[in-house]
Amino acid sequence: NAGVMQNPRHLVRRRGQEARLRCSPMKGHSHVYWYRQLPEEGLKFMVYLQKENIIDESGMPKERFSAEFPKEGPSILRIQQVVRGDSAAYFCASSPGASGGYEQYFGPGTRLTVT
Amino acid sequence: KNEVEQSPQNLTAQEGEFITINCSYSVGISALHWLQQHPGGGIVSLFMLSSGKKKHGRLIATINIQEKHSSLHITASHPRDSAVYICAVSRPGAGSYQLTFGKGTKLSVIP
Repeated sequence: NAGVMQNPRHLVRRRGQEARLRCSPMKGHSHVYWYRQLPEEGLKFMVYLQKENIIDESGMPKERFSAEFPKEGPSILRIQQVVRGDSAAYFCASSPGASGGYEQYFGPGTRLTVT
Repeated sequence: KNEVEQSPQNLTAQEGEFITINCSYSVGISALHWLQQHPGGGIVSLFMLSSGKKKHGRLIATINIQEKHSSLHITASHPRDSAVYICAVSRPGAGSYQLTFGKGTKLSVIP
């Protein structure tokens, strides 16, 4: 049973470009969480999604950031018009939810560098 | 003041030593999590606990709900244990999925 997969593992973007980060949850998991880890800082919650629904996006910056988890395919975290301050490690986690529980399993992360 | 505080921030130990990392929190929680992050690597969930004690191999996690405190112990430490150990809490109720993280404890085990 493959774990949570994220790709790409490393992403370099120039200022103003778009970044798309993908997360495939563990098999059987329908809940996805995105976290950001800025350099020298702790992890911060960004958004919680279930299939086709955003449940809580209270940690998302108000502009340029969006997330989706379609019925088919991976969850996508999209950052438009990236700036240097977006450089960070972005982690995705998944959980079964409901009767399967809410323990979160983390992916390897995507390290975004904005030049 | 952060809701989740860890100590120490940095810890260096000789191989074989017994190691303790502490976590204190100031909010009501439904569960506490210990995570491990290797340099440049991903995050591995070590424990999720809401009471008592859990053990996995050389790792032991304890929690005291009344004192709002948890400890992670590593027995017979090894250089491969070198990593950042992160404490996180989840709140009760509707926000139980949302983890609040400590800043981590960087552990270096020297051969």
